Amino acid sequence: KAGVTQTPRYLIKTRGQQVTLSCSPISGHRSVSWYQQTPGQGLQFLFEYFSETQRNKGNFPGRFSGRQFSNSRSEMNVSTLELGDSALYLCASSHITRDEQFFGPGTRLTVL
Amino acid sequence: QQQVKQSPQSLIVQKGGISIINCAYENTAFDYFPWYQQFPGKGPALLIAIRPDVSEKKEGRFTISFNKSAKQFSLHIMDSQPGDSATYFCAASMKNTGFQKLVFGTGTRLLVSP
Repeated sequence: KAGVTQTPRYLIKTRGQQVTLSCSPISGHRSVSWYQQTPGQGLQFLFEYFSETQRNKGNFPGRFSGRQFSNSRSEMNVSTLELGDSALYLCASSHITRDEQFFGPGTRLTVL
Repeated sequence: QQQVKQSPQSLIVQKGGISIINCAYENTAFDYFPWYQQFPGKGPALLIAIRPDVSEKKEGRFTISFNKSAKQFSLHIMDSQPGDSATYFCAASMKNTGFQKLVFGTGTRLLVSP
């Protein structure tokens, strides 16, 4: 079974731009969560989607948004990029009946 | 109350030794405690997890010890190998809420010397 895939793997943007990251969950997984990983703040929860609905949201500004499609694929968007948004953005998927969350390789975003 | 405190920040162990990483939490609503292993340039990989109704879980060389009354849990890596050199994260979540939000510890960088 293929794992969680994320595209693109690397992105370089400038301040003020916006960016969209994509995540394809493991087949059969309907829950998709997003996390931000930085050296200073560690791994922080952004939001979780299930059946195209956002079920939970972390403590991030409204510039961070996401959505989920009917095939469970998810996208997250960051508008008006700031230098501090430079991070590894991780997507994780899980099956509705199981505890485990499986992470993708992440998208490394650099904001210049 | 949402924090998970992890220690040590870094750890050096000789090959064949035991690596021990500790985590503590405050929120008694947490009911699922996984450990993740992360290599540079990769996403975290689920290593082993435990629920608070058991005090210990072992999978191969990896063991979680769980102390519900002390609100602490730890990862033990037996017979540590150089290939175990990675960053380890403990985490916690409230699975009974139906949500998948993981609260992570700050990570432990493990180096196993040959």
